[in-house]
Amino acid sequence: EAQVTQNPRYLITVTGKKLTVTCSQNMNHEYMSWYRQDPGLGLRQIYYSMNVEVTDKGDVPEGYKVSRKEKRNFPLILESPSPNQTSLYFCASKEASGFSSYEQYFGPGTRLTVT
Amino acid sequence: RKEVEQDPGPFNVPEGATVAFNCTYSNSASQSFFWYRQDCRKEPKLLMSVYSSGNEDGRFTAQLNRASQYISLLIRDSKLSDSATYLCVVTFGNEKLTFGTGTRLTIIP
Repeated sequence: EAQVTQNPRYLITVTGKKLTVTCSQNMNHEYMSWYRQDPGLGLRQIYYSMNVEVTDKGDVPEGYKVSRKEKRNFPLILESPSPNQTSLYFCASKEASGFSSYEQYFGPGTRLTVT
Repeated sequence: RKEVEQDPGPFNVPEGATVAFNCTYSNSASQSFFWYRQDCRKEPKLLMSVYSSGNEDGRFTAQLNRASQYISLLIRDSKLSDSATYLCVVTFGNEKLTFGTGTRLTIIP
């Protein structure tokens, strides 16, 4: 089954404790992206990657890091989480180009709470 | 001004009714337009693309007005299962999708 998986689905942590949210897709997509979703603000892009070893900042990259060492994985790293990073996070992937390149497939989301 | 703006609703509509909502965008060079659907606490999923000539998919019709910079979604004969948040999405280039904050729709039996 074609899918995007994220782990963990729920996480409660404390300020300053480094964490990683994993994202993996099995569709051989070149493009992957991370979003956060907050009430009244909608989905905002954090980082995206057009291919292996190529990453770029989205609209709200501060406080986050990403890496793309393999095509299928795109982990999101919070080196020193703060309460304002409490949010619902989505990973997504799509083909980088071509007719079907517009549709993004989203993972199930990770609900992060930083106390 | 936000890049993509939607009326947040909520829209409470009786089953069987027709409902329409709009989305405006600020970048006149925007290239592609979509409607995504998001159920409560779930991931967004593509509902339909929006073409310049307008397009229909069953009970759903999407329209694009480039001159006025808005897109619209019309749902006919609404079903209980149409209850969701509808996200307007605008792209510029292939890399960046900009999402509206969503319009919440509840269909009432």
